[in-house]
Amino acid sequence: DVKVTQSSRYLVKRTGEKVFLECVQDMDHENMFWYRQDPGLGLRLIYFSYDVKMKEKGDIPEGYSVSREKKERFSLILESASTNQTSMYLCASSFAAGQDFGPGTRLTVT
Amino acid sequence: GDSVTQMEGPVTLSEEAFLTINCTYTATGYPSLFWYVQYPGEGLQLLLKATKADDKGSNKGFEATYRKETTSFHLEKGSVQVSDSAVYFCALRITDSWGKLQFGAGTQVVVTP
Repeated sequence: DVKVTQSSRYLVKRTGEKVFLECVQDMDHENMFWYRQDPGLGLRLIYFSYDVKMKEKGDIPEGYSVSREKKERFSLILESASTNQTSMYLCASSFAAGQDFGPGTRLTVT
Repeated sequence: GDSVTQMEGPVTLSEEAFLTINCTYTATGYPSLFWYVQYPGEGLQLLLKATKADDKGSNKGFEATYRKETTSFHLEKGSVQVSDSAVYFCALRITDSWGKLQFGAGTQVVVTP
């Protein structure tokens, strides 16, 4: 019953490293999303994609980029990780009635 | 812009107590409304939804009614269990936005035996 998977549950990286977070969905959804979750702030949208190779900035895109080369895969890239990017990252894909979420990746940048 | 406001937590209550989590929204048009639940260490799961005014969503004993006149979508459960301990998020689906959701800040619920 796997729907949305993320490549890592926990990740520790150093400041300045390039970080890749991978997300795969097996439901043939058109739209995919990357959020970060921080206490007291809820979920904030970083980027989303509505088709292969198509992307749109969300509310907090600074310091991030994304890639969608195949419909099922949506990658979040931290070009140069910083400590303020320590967070929980959640991927989702969209269907008519809502969004399906992956289990999340807890990223710590030291 | 569209926004969601929900009551702050944590909400602590005893098993079998009545739970209410308030959620109000601001939106143009007529959004769909959702409640998601996040259990410790997991991602978000859709709990229930409502797509138009006066719709009632329900699941696992939880209910919420879409109230257009008060722009609210409060979550209720008549008798909570320890297993209901989680963070609950209210969200709205932004109209004509490729399925984007706007989330509230989340409310942590702690149920004690």
